Amino acid sequence: EAQVTQNPRYLITVTGKKLTVTCSQNMNHEYMSWYRQDPGLGLRQIYYSMNVEVTDKGDVPEGYKVSRKEKRNFPLILESPSPNQTSLYFCASRKSGANVLTFGAGSRLTVL
Amino acid sequence: GIQVEQSPPDLILQEGANSTLRCNFSDSVNNLQWFHQNPWGQLINLFYIPSGTKQNGRLSATTVATERYSLLYISSSQTTDSGVYFCAVAFYNQGGKLIFGQGTELSVKP
Repeated sequence: EAQVTQNPRYLITVTGKKLTVTCSQNMNHEYMSWYRQDPGLGLRQIYYSMNVEVTDKGDVPEGYKVSRKEKRNFPLILESPSPNQTSLYFCASRKSGANVLTFGAGSRLTVL
Repeated sequence: GIQVEQSPPDLILQEGANSTLRCNFSDSVNNLQWFHQNPWGQLINLFYIPSGTKQNGRLSATTVATERYSLLYISSSQTTDSGVYFCAVAFYNQGGKLIFGQGTELSVKP
């Protein structure tokens, strides 16, 4: 089944403890992206990647890192999480030149 | 700055009622999509509709690109239609990045 898989789906952590949210897609998509969703704000783009080894900042990149060493994987790294990074995170992908994004199921992160 | 505004922010319906959700955007777009986020948080793409009209069962959408708005129609609503509806657009001068509105939260009561 064609899909975008995120892990973990739920995580409660503490301030300053490094964590990684993994994202993997099995559709051979070139473009991948991370969004965060907060009440009243919709979804905002954190980082995106046009292809392997090509990444760029979105609208809210502060406090996050990404890497794209393989086409299928696009992990989101929080080096030192803070409570304002408590949010629902979505990974998404699409074929280069395509119009429709496929979203993962979301990862709910709580930072205490 | 670039704006994507959805209305109404909240909507409560009785099962069987019809509704119209609106999305206004501030610049020319080359991509417009409607999404439904179900109560479990999953985002489902409903329509890709940068212009014109499309229908899928009880749902239909119309985008009038020249007037910078899109409408999502839900007819004969069901409780399973509950959730948040998002409009997302990509502007020509923004490299294809999808920008989301704040969403309309729909609750359909039995």
